[in-house]
Amino acid sequence: SQQGEEDPQALSIQEGENATMNCSYKTSINNLQWYRQNSGRGLVHLILIRSNEREKHSGRLRVTLDTSKKSSSLLITASRAADTASYFCGRGSYIPTFGRGTSLIVHP
Amino acid sequence: SQTIHQWPATLVQPVGSPLSLECTVEGTSNPNLYWYRQAAGRGLQLLFYSVGIGQISSEVPQNLSASRPQDRQFILSSKKLLLSDSGFYLCAWSVSGTGTREQYFGPGTRLTVT
Repeated sequence: SQQGEEDPQALSIQEGENATMNCSYKTSINNLQWYRQNSGRGLVHLILIRSNEREKHSGRLRVTLDTSKKSSSLLITASRAADTASYFCGRGSYIPTFGRGTSLIVHP
Repeated sequence: SQTIHQWPATLVQPVGSPLSLECTVEGTSNPNLYWYRQAAGRGLQLLFYSVGIGQISSEVPQNLSASRPQDRQFILSSKKLLLSDSGFYLCAWSVSGTGTREQYFGPGTRLTVT
């Protein structure tokens, strides 16, 4: 299994602050994806980073990948209350596997 | 554009009753289809995936089954529900083929087994 964990499991910050969440995995991967899930909804794809990439940006999102440490991080800069959601990383090459996610609460 | 539908949105069923959840995709052909379950406090658990009509792979042995009677239709079933089947069921699709594929998720079905 390519399971790992997202951490922290929960994160509570104030609007305007940055939010960082991490994802670890156990076996080699070709890519890693980050998804967002609003309460009671399906997951929405945010960003994909390939194993030969170290950093990727999309708007206020910044994803890094360290294959030597088998870890990735998602940084949300200048967070907004609307960023409140759970964030999951999908590890794997063919069918991503997911952990329990990080529950982010951004207080206005 | 592509859309994915799931129904029903919510369902309350007694233990031992049958189950049928449906997922349909529009706007694409020959998608890979997936069923996930998200139980409280747990991550997404892949239940089944399909790369074509009649082709189903099961990831977790349990009392659930899946079928793909049409190219863009994926059905999750059970003959007798257990309390442990409660959870949030998500259907997803991706472009066919091997290698990395972004997944597109449906709105989910909240199942409560009483």
